[in-house]
Amino acid sequence: EVQLVETGGALIQPGGSLRLSCAASGFTVSSTYMSWVRQAPGKGLEWVSIIFTGGATNYADSVKGRFTISRDNSENTLYLQMDSLRAEDTAVYYCARGGIYDSGSAWGQGTLVTVSS
Amino acid sequence: DVVMTQSPLSLPVTLGQPASISCRSSQSLVYSDGNTYLNWFQQRPGQSPRRLIYRVSNRDSGVPDRFSGSGSGTDFTLKISRVEAEDVGVYYCMQGTHWPYTFGQGTHLETK
Repeated sequence: EVQLVETGGALIQPGGSLRLSCAASGFTVSSTYMSWVRQAPGKGLEWVSIIFTGGATNYADSVKGRFTISRDNSENTLYLQMDSLRAEDTAVYYCARGGIYDSGSAWGQGTLVTVSS
Repeated sequence: DVVMTQSPLSLPVTLGQPASISCRSSQSLVYSDGNTYLNWFQQRPGQSPRRLIYRVSNRDSGVPDRFSGSGSGTDFTLKISRVEAEDVGVYYCMQGTHWPYTFGQGTHLETK
């Protein structure tokens, strides 16, 4: 069974850094494209970043230069390194497997990041 | 960025009755490979999003056949043939053709 478990969300001050993790089971993270999608409180969904099987990555303009997506094949885990955090980065961050181009889609339960002083 | 516009934003429906949600994109969603990467997601209250439909009209595994998707180019529709209580939630269309991928504002489906 495919499962994604996000961890690492916290209350963090503006300008701070945080690393989110997404532990995968039931498949290998290197075998498919993986993404981070966020949802600000009471708001809609925003696709933040994606990493493809070959390692290519893309970022939303709102996070480009501040966030870095990566994966550890040995740990079968997806990461999102978030630097220079801003209040507008406050959101639930979801890890997603697939979900864009083809069959097979799975989302984690999300982890809450709150950026506030 | 491609703007995805959904209507209506609020959809009160009587159980057992059909429902329809429209989604329009600000530019064509046909990719250079000929595919149209338009997906539909459901988010039940307090839950993570779940994809229902991919590439306009393909139902994901486990999705009831009362859900169907259609459309082409810039105009797309999600239909529920007979709304059930478990369908309450927010529905989002999402385009995966042009980066950054973008979602519609969401349509809140509720029962009357």
